[in-house]
Amino acid sequence: DTGVSQNPRHKITKRGQNVTFRCDPISEHNRLYWYRQTLGQGPEFLTYFQNEAQLEKSRLLSDRFSAERPKGSFSTLEIQRTEQGDSAMYLCASSPMTFRGRGRDTQYFGPGTRLTVL
Amino acid sequence: SQQGEEDPQALSIQEGENATMNCSYKTSINNLQWYRQNSGRGLVHLILIRSNEREKHSGRLRVTLDTSKKSSSLLITASRAADTASYFCATLRETSGSRLTFGEGTQLTVNP
Repeated sequence: DTGVSQNPRHKITKRGQNVTFRCDPISEHNRLYWYRQTLGQGPEFLTYFQNEAQLEKSRLLSDRFSAERPKGSFSTLEIQRTEQGDSAMYLCASSPMTFRGRGRDTQYFGPGTRLTVL
Repeated sequence: SQQGEEDPQALSIQEGENATMNCSYKTSINNLQWYRQNSGRGLVHLILIRSNEREKHSGRLRVTLDTSKKSSSLLITASRAADTASYFCATLRETSGSRLTFGEGTQLTVNP
């Protein structure tokens, strides 16, 4: 069990540029989540996938944000035309499914990608 | 928006003392979870308590849940300097699917 990995760990970009982050979940986990965390706050839910299907999106996920999980394994989160308000830690988490098809409630988090928009 | 509110926002204690953190939430939940986050890193799951449970233990951790008051507490006994971190409660609401809703966290500092 290698845990959830995220790349890159840090990203500095200029306002208006596009950025893409990658998350590799724990291999047998069907569910994958993205959260955003700003300094001094708790994480806020952005979106989640069950296998390759994106099942839920937060209102925080504006049109500039898009997430994909094309083969039900790794996921990417893209932010287009970045703004300074996008500066945050972007956290990915995964969780397994039981054999009965219900999701387990414990989510396993990666180390995060810290985005700084100048 | 954050559902949980944590109290206190910051707590500083000496090694060996107990630390108690509280969490309140607003809506009905399936379960409540506590996570720890070391500075600038990802979150580590500590313990989960279901809505039909009142108390749970795991090592030096004790969690209580009072659904009538919509509150939970996390007790860390015999604290160590390595316990220094931010602690977040997170709720899985009945109507929210799989999303966790986090509180704002308590920053715990354990002084050696």
